[in-house]
Amino acid sequence: ETGVTQTPRHLVMGMTNKKSLKCEQHLGHNAMYWYKQSAKKPLELMFVYNFKEQTENNSVPSRFSPECPNSSHLFLHLHTLQPEDSALYLCASSQETGGAYGYTFGSGTRLTVV
Amino acid sequence: GQNIDQPTEMTATEGAIVQINCTYQTSGFNGLFWYQQHAGEAPTFLSYNVLDGLEEKGRFSSFLSRSKGYSYLLLKELQMKDSASYLCAVLDSNYQLIWGAGTKLIIKP
Repeated sequence: ETGVTQTPRHLVMGMTNKKSLKCEQHLGHNAMYWYKQSAKKPLELMFVYNFKEQTENNSVPSRFSPECPNSSHLFLHLHTLQPEDSALYLCASSQETGGAYGYTFGSGTRLTVV
Repeated sequence: GQNIDQPTEMTATEGAIVQINCTYQTSGFNGLFWYQQHAGEAPTFLSYNVLDGLEEKGRFSSFLSRSKGYSYLLLKELQMKDSASYLCAVLDSNYQLIWGAGTKLIIKP
């Protein structure tokens, strides 16, 4: 499989649940990102990893916890979420951070918090 | 603050031409991207402009004027499959991507 793959595609969870989103890239990129996409709003950068090290946490609430075990895999662990956290969560990768490199995005996980 | 403005929604007719505008106010500029996103799918890269002028790629062209803080995406010979959201994003002086909210383009037969 090529590109950036995200699982699951859809997730419904209660506010007391714990779940994880998974992202995998097969492009040999060194940087990976989590974005939140809400309707009619700009993409919100959540976390940036470069060579497995977290380089940015954009004031994201602690109920979102990222994990990057290697340059190809990125997880977003979710617990005690709120209904306003319902959104499309996109993973992206790029060759490096801090440069004019195009991003390759996954298709996203549509999260609904009930 | 940093800001990217683009129209929320546009409608055009199959076979016609449409221009989607993007204006930006950012702290520095290191290039502007356009991405296409079909409903329920990943955003995909369309173009990158860092110098003023027009870049043409088949039916799609992207224009940049840095002095005016302005770009547009021009789509010619519109097809139904062009119905999608078009996202404008600017790379600021810290090489952070600043995103617009996207323009939903509806193509009618």
